[in-house]
Amino acid sequence: GENVEQHPSTLSVQEGDSAVIKCTYSDSASNYFPWYKQELGKRPQLIIDIRSNVGEKKDQRIAVTLNKTAKHFSLHITETQPEDSAVYFCAASSEKTSYDKVIFGPGTSLSVIP
Amino acid sequence: DGGITQSPKYLFRKEGQNVTLSCEQNLNHDAMYWYRQDPGQGLRLIYYSQIVNDFQKGDIAEGYSVSREKKESFPLTVTSAQKNPTAFYLCASSFGGAEQFFGPGTRLTVL
Repeated sequence: GENVEQHPSTLSVQEGDSAVIKCTYSDSASNYFPWYKQELGKRPQLIIDIRSNVGEKKDQRIAVTLNKTAKHFSLHITETQPEDSAVYFCAASSEKTSYDKVIFGPGTSLSVIP
Repeated sequence: DGGITQSPKYLFRKEGQNVTLSCEQNLNHDAMYWYRQDPGQGLRLIYYSQIVNDFQKGDIAEGYSVSREKKESFPLTVTSAQKNPTAFYLCASSFGGAEQFFGPGTRLTVL
């Protein structure tokens, strides 16, 4: 069945450094790739998403890149700050399920050390 | 906060009991979802519903049941057939394949 893998499972960076989280997906029909951030004790919230008709999308300090041929997509956070500490989930869905069946990766716990 | 609520926040169940988790949204979203969150395993889809009176099984539907009698409500019943129900349960809703809005979650513990 469909699967999304995510690496690393934990990541520690110094404040101001960059963080990169990588995901791979198995369903070649997937064409929508959201990223969610879950702070401790809170609900997941969408931070950025990308559709397969683009290769990169940026929003201030965060960016997502997509390599559809390799079925890889990545989240890049630059100039990390302590408030970036959270669990990040990548996900994939496709038009064939009207984007309603979303497969999540296992998550990456990011710690930003002041 | 997002217009989607879950109750209760904490729930304790004795073995052999069925329990029902509530999820309500006032966002006028067509699609609603239930996920189970365990440490290190991310969000696993239990059931989802794209329209009233219709729902589909997710990856881990065994031992769970749902209903969708109203657009606003998508309750989840954890039955006694679910072997390891202790987990954090998240409900979500979305409109037309866009962003999913999550509720605050229900933490279920089996005593």
